[in-house]
Amino acid sequence: DAKTTQPPSMDCAEGRAANLPCNHSTISGNEYVYWYRQIHSQGPQYIIHGLKNNETNEMASLIITEDRKSSTLILPHATLRDTAVYYCIVRTSYDKVIFGPGTSLSVIP
Amino acid sequence: NAGVMQNPRHLVRRRGQEARLRCSPMKGHSHVYWYRQLPEEGLKFMVYLQKENIIDESGMPKERFSAEFPKEGPSILRIQQVVRGDSAAYFCASSPQGAGTEAFFGQGTRLTVV
Repeated sequence: DAKTTQPPSMDCAEGRAANLPCNHSTISGNEYVYWYRQIHSQGPQYIIHGLKNNETNEMASLIITEDRKSSTLILPHATLRDTAVYYCIVRTSYDKVIFGPGTSLSVIP
Repeated sequence: NAGVMQNPRHLVRRRGQEARLRCSPMKGHSHVYWYRQLPEEGLKFMVYLQKENIIDESGMPKERFSAEFPKEGPSILRIQQVVRGDSAAYFCASSPQGAGTEAFFGQGTRLTVV
């Protein structure tokens, strides 16, 4: 019962920006947008999260639309090591993290 | 500041034995979550615990599985009388209290039932 919709797969050329979209049209006012990724079978890695303002950290940028019904994760210069499954999740800080199928990103040399 | 520590990283059990998986949350984190990932499948929520309390166990199988997070020590996921279908990667995550906090995951325990 994930509350988000993501494309199942995407390709990105190495060195280019990877833009991963996510729809969350039923998001509530107290729910944050979180992004995680899982490389191979490693533990999921936290990337970034936001409430309504755009956010940036050393890994990525998160752009949230004004109506908060969708967002985009941007990896500014994708490398081969960014090949992973990326999960967009909406939750309050007190909820469990529910994973959907995510987007499988392949970075192509 | 060490991350979420899970041990063992790999565990082999014969059918019918018990498996105990440990998770030490990050320092200062009072919330723990357990997930299971079957081969070639997604991450499935199992249980959410706070110190000495089970908050949400809606993803736990009704039999053979239990979890605890005592006042002192790590969180334990216990699987009794393991079967081959229990073979999976089990991941633990922890988070602090407070609004807008993120959950951090361990590297998982890979359970193989032979």
